[in-house]
Amino acid sequence: DIQMTQSPSTLSASVGDRVTITCRASQSISDWLAWYQQKPGKAPDLLIYKASNLQSGVPSRFSGSGSGTEFTLTISSLQPDDFATYYCQHYNNYPYTFGRGTKLDIK
Amino acid sequence: EVQLVQSGAEVKKPGESLKISCKGSGYSFTSHWIAWVRQMPGKGLEWVGIIHPGDSDTRYSPSLQGQVIISADKSINTAYLQWRSLEASDTAIFYCARRSLGISHNPFDIWGQGTVVTVSS
Repeated sequence: DIQMTQSPSTLSASVGDRVTITCRASQSISDWLAWYQQKPGKAPDLLIYKASNLQSGVPSRFSGSGSGTEFTLTISSLQPDDFATYYCQHYNNYPYTFGRGTKLDIK
Repeated sequence: EVQLVQSGAEVKKPGESLKISCKGSGYSFTSHWIAWVRQMPGKGLEWVGIIHPGDSDTRYSPSLQGQVIISADKSINTAYLQWRSLEASDTAIFYCARRSLGISHNPFDIWGQGTVVTVSS
């Protein structure tokens, strides 16, 4: 199985900050990488697919980059609604493993 | 509206059986794979397995194969996750999710609301 390593596990930031979350795959996954946002008590929502493509309806302050084994999710200017947990997931082949998540909380 | 609606919360005893469901609507149910994802209390997301409702082709996570059974009934647009004998460690929230359509590789674009499964004596 491909292992996905996310960092940091927790990130404290303020409204208006620019933040970056990193995800590393244990082997190359081309750009078959998605990012999800999960709020407490809710199902995850797809934010970004194919490493850098914004899902319909997702604000443009979210962006993704990377290919191969190194990927990043950037939020350019944090809004109050963005404080949540973020997961990366590869979908190169089964099983589609997830990273352990990054909890973004208010500083 | 495209949606996946899951069955309600369950409280079971160890050793009991259980089958939870995920009903799709607003799209062609047999065109999209449906996955199951586990979230244990306070933990992250874990891929359980996936099924193609059109032909019931099914794949399991190696760590969970043999522990659960995934099935689908395309006549009623419903996928299932089943246990023959529950253990306390099966306590978790289980989400179903639709794999999006595309040329090849595709992420999960629609998620169910989740089913809370509690196993306790």
